[in-house]
Amino acid sequence: ELKVEQNPLFLSMQEGKNYTIYCNYSTTSDRLYWYRQDPGKSLESLFVLLSNGAVKQEGRLMASLDTKARLSTLHITAAVHDLSATYFCAVDKGTYKYIFGTGTRLKVLA
Amino acid sequence: NAGVTQTPKFRVLKTGQSMTLLCAQDMNHEYMYWYRQDPGMGLRLIHYSVGEGTTAKGEVPDGYNVSRLKKQNFLLGLESAAPSQTSVYFCASSYSISGAYNEQFFGPGTRLTVL
Repeated sequence: ELKVEQNPLFLSMQEGKNYTIYCNYSTTSDRLYWYRQDPGKSLESLFVLLSNGAVKQEGRLMASLDTKARLSTLHITAAVHDLSATYFCAVDKGTYKYIFGTGTRLKVLA
Repeated sequence: NAGVTQTPKFRVLKTGQSMTLLCAQDMNHEYMYWYRQDPGMGLRLIHYSVGEGTTAKGEVPDGYNVSRLKKQNFLLGLESAAPSQTSVYFCASSYSISGAYNEQFFGPGTRLTVL
């Protein structure tokens, strides 16, 4: 059974600091997705990582994928308050189905 | 483009009542999904569809039924609501290119409370 684990589950950080969220999954997959969810809102796609070694950056967020280690990271550089949200990673099983991690709730303190 | 829309946004039911949640997408996506989101549990897949007229079970299908009579619509039904079905329900759609799948696009969610 495919399992997707994120850590940490909660992260409180100061503005201007750097941090990394980790996403581990239990079975082979070449594709991984990162989403953002603001409180009371829907999920918004951030990154689509489609192969081993893929790296994508948007503003202060950078995501990478290591399919051999079954690990993706979401790195936050010089955090700002606007990045406060819950971040989910998801892995597709190659059969139209996606399995989501439990999410990392990020709070950036001024 | 409206993207993915869901109706209704909020609903309160009594135990044993039935209801249907409607999801519509205007992106001509083949794949559609229903998830439920509960605190601390991420998103769990209820049912999904890979095309008009097809449906399949996800991780937590019990107590729910779905239909996809038209490509753009995906309906989720609760025949006899139970308090355990209190949750936020999200619909999503997706597509594939040359057999490779892509990110999902989510609707705004339906907050359902069963008393």
